[in-house]
Amino acid sequence: NAGVTQTPKFQVLKTGQSMTLQCAQDMNHEYMSWYRQDPGMGLRLIHYSVGAGITDQGEVPNGYNVSRSTTEDFPLRLLSAAPSQTSVYFCASSYSFTGGNNQPQHFGDGTRLSIL
Amino acid sequence: GENVEQHPSTLSVQEGDSAVIKCTYSDSASNYFPWYKQELGKRPQLIIDIRSNVGEKKDQRIAVTLNKTAKHFSLHITETQPEDSAVYFCAASGGGGSNYKLTFGKGTLLTVNP
Repeated sequence: NAGVTQTPKFQVLKTGQSMTLQCAQDMNHEYMSWYRQDPGMGLRLIHYSVGAGITDQGEVPNGYNVSRSTTEDFPLRLLSAAPSQTSVYFCASSYSFTGGNNQPQHFGDGTRLSIL
Repeated sequence: GENVEQHPSTLSVQEGDSAVIKCTYSDSASNYFPWYKQELGKRPQLIIDIRSNVGEKKDQRIAVTLNKTAKHFSLHITETQPEDSAVYFCAASGGGGSNYKLTFGKGTLLTVNP
């Protein structure tokens, strides 16, 4: 298994441009999520999905859209990039809440995004 | 929503010493508490986790303790080695019906000096 794969690894955008960060997992995980990591802020949840066709907002959703058309893929879209969205973005996935227990989340390698 | 506080923000120890990182959480309904290690430029990787029905869990040099009454949990690393140097994050989930949503602390930069 490749695990959680994120593309691209690095990206530079200009203010106002749009782009999609890709995330794919081959572990048949129901749950997928996007985090952003900023210095001194830890990881903050942007959006998450508990299965195909189901998405919900996390702590910092403004400026980002997501969709989940398949179990494997969970893309994150920046509609109009702003300098405040300069960050490292991590995608994570896990099995669903089964047997009354949360399951460990597995992270991708991240996308380093700079917006000028 | 859940709030996770993590202390200290930086920790420097000598090789062979023990290191302790502490976290508190606000939502008494939270029931899952993972710890992640992140080396510079790498992904966060799960090193140990604990559920609310357990008070302590060990894995070789790493242990985690949970005090549900006080709403705090701690990571203990014994016999530290230079390769333990990294940023460590605690997290909590399961509170308020949000079974999946992880709330992270802001991290602890651990430096192990040879």
